[in-house]
Amino acid sequence: DTAVSQTPKYLVTQMGNDKSIKCEQNLGHDTMYWYKQDSKKFLKIMFSYNNKELIINETVPNRFSPKSPDKAHLNLHINSLELGDSAVYFCASSQIGNTIYFGEGSWLTVV
Amino acid sequence: GENVEQHPSTLSVQEGDSAVIKCTYSDSASNYFPWYKQELGKRPQLIIDIRSNVGEKKDQRIAVTLNKTAKHFSLHITETQPEDSAVYFCAATPGNNDMRFGAGTRLTVKP
Repeated sequence: DTAVSQTPKYLVTQMGNDKSIKCEQNLGHDTMYWYKQDSKKFLKIMFSYNNKELIINETVPNRFSPKSPDKAHLNLHINSLELGDSAVYFCASSQIGNTIYFGEGSWLTVV
Repeated sequence: GENVEQHPSTLSVQEGDSAVIKCTYSDSASNYFPWYKQELGKRPQLIIDIRSNVGEKKDQRIAVTLNKTAKHFSLHITETQPEDSAVYFCAATPGNNDMRFGAGTRLTVKP
């Protein structure tokens, strides 16, 4: 009964490839997020969606394109992967103004 | 936008001692301040939170204080145990669909 689930958990790919990470939450939350955690452990918000509507796009390169088909799903597609995209990507969800619940993370390594 | 600063970046204490982590925020609109614990290879998980209408909250060995005027909040862990060793993040919510994190504090509790 995972609350926020994301796939894949591990992803190793070559520079220039395109990849997607999928996320689903069964908590009934209205808001979903993507966070990037780099090697220094800093948790940086990338996007937030409220009921399928984009709310925050935090100066993320256009190569990153989120898509929310419904309020329970938020996917992340990355084009033309670069070495600097290597990181852990966390999907998360919350009710408005409340605690964020994170998925287990997707470890992306670009070689 | 909201800027959350967190200190110290690393903290080492002896088992049984207390640990204090401090954060400041910049956006006076922020009204919800959670603290997360992240163990190695795992997702960040909420350990305690506080809202702007409360000055202090305690849960067993963990307490959080908030000074809204000074825009700072702190996490206090008493009687530390080796299993408290982890990275701790403070966060602030400048908007309903937004949560910004501090840079994290790596706490090591030595037996």
